[in-house]
Amino acid sequence: NAGVTQTPKFQVLKTGQSMTLQCAQDMNHEYMSWYRQDPGMGLRLIHYSVGAGITDQGEVPNGYNVSRSTTEDFPLRLLSAAPSQTSVYFCASSYGDSRNYGYTFGSGTRLTVV
Amino acid sequence: GEDVEQSLFLSVREGDSSVINCTYTDSSSTYLYWYKQEPGAGLQLLTYIFSNMDMKQDQRLTVLLNKKDKHLSLRIADTQTGDSAIYFCAENTDKLIFGTGTRLQVFP
Repeated sequence: NAGVTQTPKFQVLKTGQSMTLQCAQDMNHEYMSWYRQDPGMGLRLIHYSVGAGITDQGEVPNGYNVSRSTTEDFPLRLLSAAPSQTSVYFCASSYGDSRNYGYTFGSGTRLTVV
Repeated sequence: GEDVEQSLFLSVREGDSSVINCTYTDSSSTYLYWYKQEPGAGLQLLTYIFSNMDMKQDQRLTVLLNKKDKHLSLRIADTQTGDSAIYFCAENTDKLIFGTGTRLQVFP
């Protein structure tokens, strides 16, 4: 099992560019989420999905889109990158109700917007 | 509302005990978690406690939960340099909400 795989690990974008952060898991997890981590602010939830075809907004969804066409993949799209989106992005997944199992995290994507 | 708070830094001497504290606001949280993040890595689940428990012990880790005060703590006995990391508490109602993280520094 590879667990949760995020690509790329590092990315530099210019303001206004768009890109997609990839997240894939091979554990047949139903729940998947995207978080961003900023200094002094912990992890903030961007979007999450409780299963294929279902997505919902988290705490800081503006400027990001997600889709969940398969159980395995949960890509995060930045529509028009802004310097405020410079952050480390983590994808996480969980089997069913994460209350019993906790989340498995990817190793992160460090994004810089200049 | 959902809000999880932690102090930002803790510094301890190797061999001493570390206590990391966390307060949360959502009384409907059924599970509370502690995650560890080492430099350049993602988060690893350390331990969790169900909301009807007061204490959970797992080797060097002890979790205490005061549900009345909505206070959670993680005690690490015999702290080692390898314990240096950022520690996050998290509450789970229908989503996982993280605290700001406590950076633990262990010095010789």
